[in-house]
Amino acid sequence: KAGVTQTPRYLIKTRGQQVTLSCSPISGHRSVSWYQQTPGQGLQFLFEYFSETQRNKGNFPGRFSGRQFSNSRSEMNVSTLELGDSALYLCASRRDIFYEQYFGPGTRLTVT
Amino acid sequence: EDQVTQSPEALRLQEGESSSLNCSYTVSGLRGLFWYRQDPGKGPEFLFTLYSAGEEKEKERLKATLTKKESFLHITAPKPEDSATYLCAVQGSGNQFYFGTGTSLTVIP
Repeated sequence: KAGVTQTPRYLIKTRGQQVTLSCSPISGHRSVSWYQQTPGQGLQFLFEYFSETQRNKGNFPGRFSGRQFSNSRSEMNVSTLELGDSALYLCASRRDIFYEQYFGPGTRLTVT
Repeated sequence: EDQVTQSPEALRLQEGESSSLNCSYTVSGLRGLFWYRQDPGKGPEFLFTLYSAGEEKEKERLKATLTKKESFLHITAPKPEDSATYLCAVQGSGNQFYFGTGTSLTVIP
């Protein structure tokens, strides 16, 4: 069974630009969550989508948004990039709310 | 507020030297406690789920245990390939996952 895939794996953007990251969950998984990981803060929860609906949201500004499609694939968008947005962005999928999450390899975003 | 604290932040062991990692938590209505392993530059890899106090899970040299306030990840006779960051997460009644900042384990040959 294929794992969680994320594209692109690496991205370099300039401050003020916007970026879209993509995540394909494990087949059969209806929930997709997004996390930001930085050396100082660890894994910070961004949001979770289940069957195209946002179910939970973390404490991030409105510049961070996401969506989920009918095939469970998800995208995350960050507008007006700031230097502090440089991080590893991880996507995780799970079958449903009572199951463990499985993570993708992440997208390394560098903002210059 | 749901919170997870892991200790120690970093741990260096000689190969074969057993030890334990700690994960203490405060959560409303624990639905599950999860252990992950993360190698540098990669996504976390799922290890164990524990649901109730007294539960134990084992996998090779790793054993996870759970009490009402904390969980331990015991590493028996570790090998250099066990070097990684070990993350603990809890899921409360809100269904969101809260992660600790991890324990960085280095096993020296």
